[in-house]
Amino acid sequence: SQKIEQNSEALNIQEGKTATLTCNYTNYSPAYLQWYRQDPGRGPVFLLLIRENEKEKRKERLKVTFDTTLKQSLFHITASQPADSATYLCLPGGGSTLGRLYFGRGTQLTVWP
Amino acid sequence: DAGVTQSPTHLIKTRGQHVTLRCSPISGHKSVSWYQQVLGQGPQFIFQYYEKEERGRGNFPDRFSARQFPNYSSELNVNALLLGDSALYLCASSSGQDHQPQHFGDGTRLSIL
Repeated sequence: SQKIEQNSEALNIQEGKTATLTCNYTNYSPAYLQWYRQDPGRGPVFLLLIRENEKEKRKERLKVTFDTTLKQSLFHITASQPADSATYLCLPGGGSTLGRLYFGRGTQLTVWP
Repeated sequence: DAGVTQSPTHLIKTRGQHVTLRCSPISGHKSVSWYQQVLGQGPQFIFQYYEKEERGRGNFPDRFSARQFPNYSSELNVNALLLGDSALYLCASSSGQDHQPQHFGDGTRLSIL
């Protein structure tokens, strides 16, 4: 069955450092991967999408990579700030997952001053 | 423009009862998806509807059903409620094209006593 794993449930880093979050998937071949941010008590908010034919995507301080050979996506936040503290979710989609949308369990990021 | 709206925001039910949750998508969006999220987990996919037809279904029992109306709003129905159905129920809308991001409401918090 399809499986999505995000690295450690919690990640704590100091302000100004780069946070790196990992999303690994097995047993399917998504055509794209999306990353979302979720704050407590709120619905997830879309951040970035990367397609299977793209190696890297950037948006301001965010960078996403997608390695279909390793079946892995890395999500980086550079120059992290306390306001970046939230849970980050990955969502592989399309391809063999068409019509079904399975999120990872998320990584809770805490950025301390 | 209004975002995705869900009602009610909170709901308390007892075991064995039935519940109906409602979702209004962003104007122009034709696809609605439903998710269940328990504390500490990522959103679990329940259903996706597009143009009033079911496009995908997650691994949930038949007690869960949904429908989409001509105006693209949607209802999620859950029968014979169990304590384990206590969760945050999220609705998301999108244009319906496979790679487009999901836009989430802030959910309905359902508590089963």
